[in-house]
Amino acid sequence: DTGVSQNPRHKITKRGQNVTFRCDPISEHNRLYWYRQTLGQGPEFLTYFQNEAQLEKSRLLSDRFSAERPKGSFSTLEIQRTEQGDSAMYLCASSLPTAIRDEQYFGPGTRLTVT
Amino acid sequence: KQEVTQIPAALSVPEGENLVLNCSFTDSAIYNLQWFRQDPGKGLTSLLLIQSSQREQTSGRLNASLDKSSGRSTLYIAASQPGDSATYLCAASNYGGSQGNLIFGKGTKLSVKP
Repeated sequence: DTGVSQNPRHKITKRGQNVTFRCDPISEHNRLYWYRQTLGQGPEFLTYFQNEAQLEKSRLLSDRFSAERPKGSFSTLEIQRTEQGDSAMYLCASSLPTAIRDEQYFGPGTRLTVT
Repeated sequence: KQEVTQIPAALSVPEGENLVLNCSFTDSAIYNLQWFRQDPGKGLTSLLLIQSSQREQTSGRLNASLDKSSGRSTLYIAASQPGDSATYLCAASNYGGSQGNLIFGKGTKLSVKP
């Protein structure tokens, strides 16, 4: 399978616990994006990486959230002290942009439920 | 700040009908406009991407258009099939800053009845 993969697919956690998600992009893609999607809404941008550099973070990404892409390959998204409002689908996408085109390919998502 | 709106929120059609899904955006400095399909509980599948310099793109029974001056994009689906039932999302990215940051609409939930 050469698409974007995400693990785990589902995560149930208790409020206050820390969780970590992993995203493996398409191998030759140098950009990696994280989005969050709640029920009935479109995805919302959280952050993105160009190789290992984190170039932008949304104001949605509170200080409880941290993302890394240590070797410019896979990425992790950690949420500390989870809150019920963090319950959502977390989507990862990757791309290989040019000057005129940046087609993003999405993974299956990680559904987080905070109880 | 770019805002993307999709109308209608839901659409139900009989099998075989041709249909149009609408997407509007507020900032015409579009870098790319991308249409996605999302099945319940799943990730997004890229359908079509229109570059800033393009007016339309076609793939099989799908045709997407882009009119930057009016702030609109449409996704045309020909001869709809029950397997086309899904939520269709429109997303725009703009020049300047993080060009790849996609701004999504809320989607149109399509149901094609056999």
